Amino acid sequence: GENVEQHPSTLSVQEGDSAVIKCTYSDSASNYFPWYKQELGKGPQLIIDIRSNVGEKKDQRIAVTLNKTAKHFSLHITETQPEDSAVYFCAATINAGGTSYGKLTFGQGTILTVHP
Amino acid sequence: GAGVSQSPRYKVAKRGQDVALRCDPISGHVSLFWYQQALGQGPEFLTYFQNEAQLDKSGLPSDRFFAERPEGSVSTLKIQRTQQEDSAVYLCASSPVDWGMYKYGYTFGSGTRLTVV
Repeated sequence: GENVEQHPSTLSVQEGDSAVIKCTYSDSASNYFPWYKQELGKGPQLIIDIRSNVGEKKDQRIAVTLNKTAKHFSLHITETQPEDSAVYFCAATINAGGTSYGKLTFGQGTILTVHP
Repeated sequence: GAGVSQSPRYKVAKRGQDVALRCDPISGHVSLFWYQQALGQGPEFLTYFQNEAQLDKSGLPSDRFFAERPEGSVSTLKIQRTQQEDSAVYLCASSPVDWGMYKYGYTFGSGTRLTVV
């Protein structure tokens, strides 16, 4: 089955700096890669996703890149703010069409701390 | 409702006790998932329902774990004879259609934190 590795496990940055979190996956059939933000006591919240037919996607201060050949994808947060502090998870799944249902394999998580 | 609701938020069980965890998905959502999240780890898949049909239970760790969604809305995850290794946060998620997570994403509840003592 799919295996997703995520690094680093903790990341501390100053407000305004950039943060980068990296993930690798094992199953070359995986073609959908979402990123989730989880705040204390809450469930994961989708912040951005990317499909295997694109190499990069941006949404304001957040971007995700995908290298299918190397089987790795990364989350980039620019101009970090204290409210970005949370645990971030990458995930992977196979979208095989109408019969698939999006069972996700998650990475181990990155605790991001943004210092004011 | 506006979101996925899970109850109870916290549950303390004595080892050997049976527990039942409830998930109220967003009204009309076809797909429902259960995930288990151990402390400091990412969520791990337990089971998937499409309406009332349990299409995948490959992630259930043992036959002590049982899930149901009899009317295609509310779901219950039951754990029999709880053990300390069952301590975790149990997350429920739902999405509008069976493949809808790719277009809409799916919405997680806040989870039930189970502690077995």
